[in-house]
Amino acid sequence: QVHLVESGGGVVQPGRSLRLSCAASGFTFSTYPMHWVRQAPGKGLEWVAIVSYDGDRKFYAESVKGRFSISRDNSRNTVYLEMDSLRREDAAVYFCARGIVTAHYFDSWGQGTLVTVSS
Amino acid sequence: QSALTQPASVSGSPGQSITISCTGTSSDIGTFNLVSWYEQRPDKAPKLMIYEVSERPPGVSNRFSGSKSGNTASLTISGLQAEDEATYYCCTYAGSSTWVFGGGTKVTVL
Repeated sequence: QVHLVESGGGVVQPGRSLRLSCAASGFTFSTYPMHWVRQAPGKGLEWVAIVSYDGDRKFYAESVKGRFSISRDNSRNTVYLEMDSLRREDAAVYFCARGIVTAHYFDSWGQGTLVTVSS
Repeated sequence: QSALTQPASVSGSPGQSITISCTGTSSDIGTFNLVSWYEQRPDKAPKLMIYEVSERPPGVSNRFSGSKSGNTASLTISGLQAEDEATYYCCTYAGSSTWVFGGGTKVTVL
C-alpha cells in the first residue's frame, strides 16, 4: 500500500526559507516521478513541481520558479521541497503526490503539511 | 498557465445525475487526452477518481464517468448519493512538464 508522509511545515517569516520532506513507502520509490501540489487556505489545488524518477529532471510552476527547488534521495525514499524567499502567498498545505509518467496524473497523495508565512 | 474553469458549485438530489464542466484551452485540454479528476473532502488529501479523460482507477464507483469535447472536459456522477458530497477538481497536463488544475466544484446533495 502506497504511503506518503509529509513533514517540515511550520510558521516562517517572509523572505526566509523552509524545507519540506515527503517520506514514501509501500512501492518502488525510485521508479516513479514525484510531485508537490499546494492548496492555499480555502482555495483550490495548484501544481508546484515535479522531479523525475532519477532526480535528473525538475520542472516548476511559474509562481515558484527560481525560489523553490525539488529534489529526491532514492536511498531514503524521500522527496524534498526547498523553499526560499518565501512570500505570504506561498502559505498553503503542501501535498506530495506520486506521478504516473505515461499518463500524467497523480495516483497517490500524502496528507499534507501546513506552511504559514507570517511576520 | 491559467487555471482551468469549473463552476463553483453544483447540486442535485439523491439518485439524480450531475455533470461538472472543466474548460481549458486549445493548448491544454484541447491538445492532450490527459485530464484527471480528484475528489477532496474537507481537510483530507485529494483522491484520484478519473484519469486519461475517462478511465477509472480500481475501487472507484462506476457511477463516476468522464468525457471530453474540444477544450472542455466533464465529470458525471450518476445516481447521486450523500457520500458524493465533496469538492471535485479537474487537472490536465499542459505540456512542457507542467500541470494545471481547475478551481474546484463543490457538490451538494440536496
